[in-house]
Amino acid sequence: NAGVTQTPKFQVLKTGQSMTLQCAQDMNHEYMSWYRQDPGMGLRLIHYSVGAGITDQGEVPNGYNVSRSTTEDFPLRLLSAAPSQTSVYFCASSYLAAGVGEQYFGPGTRLTVT
Amino acid sequence: GQQLNQSPQSMFIQEGEDVSMNCTSSSIFNTWLWYKQDPGEGPVLLIALYKAGELTSNGRLTAQFGITRKDSFLNISASIPSDVGIYFCAGPPGDDKIIFGKGTRLHILP
Repeated sequence: NAGVTQTPKFQVLKTGQSMTLQCAQDMNHEYMSWYRQDPGMGLRLIHYSVGAGITDQGEVPNGYNVSRSTTEDFPLRLLSAAPSQTSVYFCASSYLAAGVGEQYFGPGTRLTVT
Repeated sequence: GQQLNQSPQSMFIQEGEDVSMNCTSSSIFNTWLWYKQDPGEGPVLLIALYKAGELTSNGRLTAQFGITRKDSFLNISASIPSDVGIYFCAGPPGDDKIIFGKGTRLHILP
């Protein structure tokens, strides 16, 4: 099993550009989520999904879109990048039956917006 | 919104020392989780606690679910260099999400 994979590992964007951060898992987990990590702020939930076709907003959803067309994939789209979106982004997944707390995290995407 | 308060924010210790950290919430949680993040990596789940008063060990790590259900503690015994990293507590304010504390950063002095 590859676990949770994220691409790209690093990305630099100019203000106003759009892009998609990819996340995939091969563990057949129903639950997937996106977090951002800023220095001294811990991890904050952006969006999450409890299954294919179902998504919901987390704590900091503004400026981001998600979709869940398959169990395996959960891409995060930045519509018009802003410097405030410079951060490290983590995708995570878990079995719903195990409780959404037992999450497996990907290695992260380090995004800089200039 | 709900917040988890972790203390201390950072710790500088000598190799071989024991470490204690804690996490408090203003509201009751039914689950407490402890994650560790190595530099440049994603967090990894260390211990999950599901019952008030529960004490659970994972090697040199021991975590406790506070009786009030508003706090949890993590202890590391006989620290080694690979214990360096950020330790996060987390808990579910609802059935479909978890929130994280801001972390305790552990440094080990040479």
